[in-house]
Amino acid sequence: EAGVAQSPRYKIIEKRQSVAFWCNPISGHATLYWYQQILGQGPKLLIQFQNNGVVDDSQLPKDRFSAERLKGVDSTLKIQPAKLEDSAVYLCASSLEREAFFGQGTRLTVV
Amino acid sequence: GNSVTQMEGPVTLSEEAFLTINCTYTATGYPSLFWYVQYPGEGLQLLLKATKADDKGSNKGFEATYRKETTSFHLEKGSVQVSDSAVYFCAFTGNQFYFGTGTSLTVIP
Repeated sequence: EAGVAQSPRYKIIEKRQSVAFWCNPISGHATLYWYQQILGQGPKLLIQFQNNGVVDDSQLPKDRFSAERLKGVDSTLKIQPAKLEDSAVYLCASSLEREAFFGQGTRLTVV
Repeated sequence: GNSVTQMEGPVTLSEEAFLTINCTYTATGYPSLFWYVQYPGEGLQLLLKATKADDKGSNKGFEATYRKETTSFHLEKGSVQVSDSAVYFCAFTGNQFYFGTGTSLTVIP
């Protein structure tokens, strides 16, 4: 079975620029998560979708981050404008029956 | 609130040494417990899981037992290999996945 696909793998942008990440979850997985993993820390949940509805976005910095999940399948996460502290790995995961499967992540460097 | 506390690293062991990484959790209800592993440059991979009290999860020689009375899920391996060098994350599910901060393990030949 295909895993969670994310793109791009790496991205370098200047501060105040915008960036978007894409995630394709495992087919049939209703729940999709975006996590931010700063170097040396555990993943922090940014947003959780159930189908195309938002379940939890309490830790999403909504002044600069946005996310959508069209038709309950693919999802995009956008940052605009980016700050230096947004440098991190952005992980997408999908789950079925309380087990999460992670993509390889997008490593974002803001300079 | 919900949280995971795991042993801080980094941990450095010689090949064939015994490994323990401690993990305790604070959660309401009856969560499922997980250990994820992250190899350099890769995403998180599920290592093992346990869904109810006294269950033992195991995979690739790693084991962890769901201890409800001590709210713990310690990871153990009897003989580590160089290829086990990675960062290990303890996690549980409530209404979302909660992760510990990770423990970096380096195994030297």
